[in-house]
Amino acid sequence: DGGITQSPKYLFRKEGQNVTLSCEQNLNHDAMYWYRQDPGQGLRLIYYSQIVNDFQKGDIAEGYSVSREKKESFPLTVTSAQKNPTAFYLCASSTVSTYEQYFGPGTRLTVT
Amino acid sequence: QKEVEQDPGPLSVPEGAIVSLNCTYSNSAFQYFMWYRQYSRKGPELLMYTYSSGNKEDGRFTAQVDKSSKYISLFIRDSQPSDSATYLCAMSERTGRRALTFGSGTRLQVQP
Repeated sequence: DGGITQSPKYLFRKEGQNVTLSCEQNLNHDAMYWYRQDPGQGLRLIYYSQIVNDFQKGDIAEGYSVSREKKESFPLTVTSAQKNPTAFYLCASSTVSTYEQYFGPGTRLTVT
Repeated sequence: QKEVEQDPGPLSVPEGAIVSLNCTYSNSAFQYFMWYRQYSRKGPELLMYTYSSGNKEDGRFTAQVDKSSKYISLFIRDSQPSDSATYLCAMSERTGRRALTFGSGTRLQVQP
């Protein structure tokens, strides 16, 4: 069954702690993306990667970091520098020859 | 002004009604257009993907693109209570980072 998995589904952290969100895909897609969704807002791009060992900042990259060591995996670290980390985080992937993206189930992060 | 505008709703209709959902955009470089359905606390699910101006039909769903007016629509025929969700429009430029720019979503409620 091909798809994108994100873990955990819910994550709770104390302010000042770094936290890493997992994203794995078995669709053999080259490109992967991280978005953030806040209530009443559309998705906003955090980081994206079109090839292994390369990634680019999106529109709201401050306070986040990523790595792309394997084609299937694109983990996102929310650092203590992110001012408002509480949000719903969505990972997506696509081929490099098309534009439609497929999303994982999301991770809801709550920082108190 | 946002690049993509979408009425947040909620839009409430009786079961069996025809639903019309719309987005306007300001960036004439957008060439690829998508509609996603998102149930509460879930990841977005791709419904429709279009490239050119005109109509594309898939079952009960019809996507319409008017590039001259920078306006896209999604029509749902014979709406069902299971269609109750938030509908997100998304679009991409042909070149560059290929990331999607999203509308803020329209919440649809189909009353049985």
